[in-house]
Amino acid sequence: QVQLKESGPGLVQPSQTLSLTCTVSGFSLTSYNVHWVRQPPGKGLEWMGRMRYNGDTSYNSALKSRLSISRDTSKNQVFLKMNSLQTDDTGTYYCTRDPNYGGYSDYWGQGVMVTVSS
Amino acid sequence: DTVLTQSPALAVSPGERVTISCRASESVSTLMHWYQQKPGQQPTLLIYLASNLESGVPARFSGSGSGTDFTLTIDPVEADDTATYYCQQSWNDPWTFGGGTKLELK
Repeated sequence: QVQLKESGPGLVQPSQTLSLTCTVSGFSLTSYNVHWVRQPPGKGLEWMGRMRYNGDTSYNSALKSRLSISRDTSKNQVFLKMNSLQTDDTGTYYCTRDPNYGGYSDYWGQGVMVTVSS
Repeated sequence: DTVLTQSPALAVSPGERVTISCRASESVSTLMHWYQQKPGQQPTLLIYLASNLESGVPARFSGSGSGTDFTLTIDPVEADDTATYYCQQSWNDPWTFGGGTKLELK
């Protein structure tokens, strides 16, 4: 059974760094890509970046200077770190699975709500 | 970045046929996908590669299109289909999503 679950702090202060973990089960990180997608409250979806099955990463150029995605395959975890957070980074952060062909997310985590506020 | 444009909202009656459109700012071939998001939930995949029905999704949902113009059709619409529908392209990075179409039932 494929599952993805995001975890991390619900509240981050402005200018600080966000660290999120996506823990997966039911598939191997060395066979599938994992993406991060976020959604501000009441708004649409924004693709942030991906960890490919082979360890390569790609980032949305709008976030590239602040964003880092890494993984630990032994723990079945993918990590997101984003620095210099501002209030407009508030939203729900999802990790998703991509079956490597065609470029879509066939499974999504439940999401983690992150609020940037002092 | 490839911009995807969707109508913001639609209202239909149960049993009717509804089409939700998505227009891309450049050709994305058939690398277009559709998701449903109900309030308070994560998106779920409905259609991939423009016209392929995801496993477990009712056959009432279908997708069509190529190039710049795509359509998600629900026929017939049921009360449970109340949700926001997003298109997403993967022709190039960054992946981009449409702004979403909120479907309401009369």
